[in-house]
Amino acid sequence: QSVLTQPPSVSGAPGQRVTISCTGSSSNIGAGRHVHWYQQLPGTAPKLLIFGNTNRPSGVPDRFSGSQSGTSASLAITGLQAEDEADYYCQSYESGLTVSYVFGTGTKVTVL
Amino acid sequence: QVQLVESGGGVVQPGTSLRLSCAASGFTFSRYAMQWVRQAPGKGLEWVAVIWYDGSGKYFADSVKGRFTVSRDNSKNTLHLHMSSLRAEDTALYYCARENFGISGYPFDYWGQGTLVTVAS
Repeated sequence: QSVLTQPPSVSGAPGQRVTISCTGSSSNIGAGRHVHWYQQLPGTAPKLLIFGNTNRPSGVPDRFSGSQSGTSASLAITGLQAEDEADYYCQSYESGLTVSYVFGTGTKVTVL
Repeated sequence: QVQLVESGGGVVQPGTSLRLSCAASGFTFSRYAMQWVRQAPGKGLEWVAVIWYDGSGKYFADSVKGRFTVSRDNSKNTLHLHMSSLRAEDTALYYCARENFGISGYPFDYWGQGTLVTVAS
């Protein structure tokens, strides 16, 4: 099964903007499959951050935004805050004869 | 509020079996597909299995196909993951999650805290 490729780490100073890429293929993101993003704070379960490429669940700050184009998607965090230091994962679906889900490799965001 | 509570993890020997459970509350369990996702120590998330809301569809990652199965009891709001022929590489924190077909793209909108499975001799 495929995986979605993310950079292992990104960092930024408080207040800065950082972006995390999620690169897929024609069998998942490029096939029009939606992308979701999850935030995993240290020692906790993942939490839904962005769904359907661009939508924020209730309670998620508008500092977080998602986009998608072609075979890739991106998560942007503007006005970076210390509490944003976490692991971030994208997730999508594989097109094919069976049902299959795929996660990104994960990105550690460090607030300098 | 939505709650998912996993149980059943532990230390087991290679080749043995284990059953994980996930107790759901705070929503109409029988209306949602449910997922199992695992995370090996220090590693990323890996999708394991899904079961449709009524149990009619069950799908698995290639890494567990033929060894794991999934079931649910909608009368008891409980999800199970039946794991057999366990290998060292199955060592992970196992999460159950709800898949929400009611919002765009059907994300996993609620997760439990996970139960740890360690496969070691």
